[in-house]
Amino acid sequence: QKEVEQNSGPLSVPEGAIASLNCTYSDRGSQSFFWYRQYSGKSPELIMFIYSNGDKEDGRFTAQLNKASQYVSLLIRDSQPSDSATYLCAFVRGDSGGSYIPTFGRGTSLIVHP
Amino acid sequence: DAGVTQSPTHLIKTRGQQVTLRCSPKSGHDTVSWYQQALGQGPQFIFQYYEEEERQRGNFPDRFSGHQFPNYSSELNVNALLLGDSALYLCASSLLRGGLRHEQFFGPGTRLTVL
Repeated sequence: QKEVEQNSGPLSVPEGAIASLNCTYSDRGSQSFFWYRQYSGKSPELIMFIYSNGDKEDGRFTAQLNKASQYVSLLIRDSQPSDSATYLCAFVRGDSGGSYIPTFGRGTSLIVHP
Repeated sequence: DAGVTQSPTHLIKTRGQQVTLRCSPKSGHDTVSWYQQALGQGPQFIFQYYEEEERQRGNFPDRFSGHQFPNYSSELNVNALLLGDSALYLCASSLLRGGLRHEQFFGPGTRLTVL
């Protein structure tokens, strides 16, 4: 079982719809969870982080964490064509050295069509 | 406030050659991590440097080595290049004591092509 599982997609949604991206993880020691957006040919850009169960909202983005189910999701409301990108899920578990190395999924490709 | 910078942006090498990639972290950050991202995959952790020492290492062979300088900038060296080393190499900077909110800020990356 891979440490981080994401559906590679592509996930296609119409402009203005809600895009729902999902991620499951296997390490119950995971502490923090991150969503990165990566445009084609560019580097990842952090858009959300969450470490408590429940929802966290930031503008059009909502991250949801359920540690019991080992599940984290990202909702994008009012999706725009500019949201078309690959979304990477990552988790961090603290180690004895406190260096917090994130483990990334392979990403889900999102296409928002006009 | 300068973000993370990397050089060069693109590089073409042949098998067996050696390459050096460079990274300057975001102002105020003290930790540099290097990642390899193959096409269609997520970034894979290579190693992390703090206080000029390698603190952690991922599952990469010894052909991959690095260095961190007193000004926190870092280099990634790859010897005896293989075709499979072709990838986007990402540098990320962070604060070691960032705690749970351990955000990593990525540079633009170096696209390495091995022929």
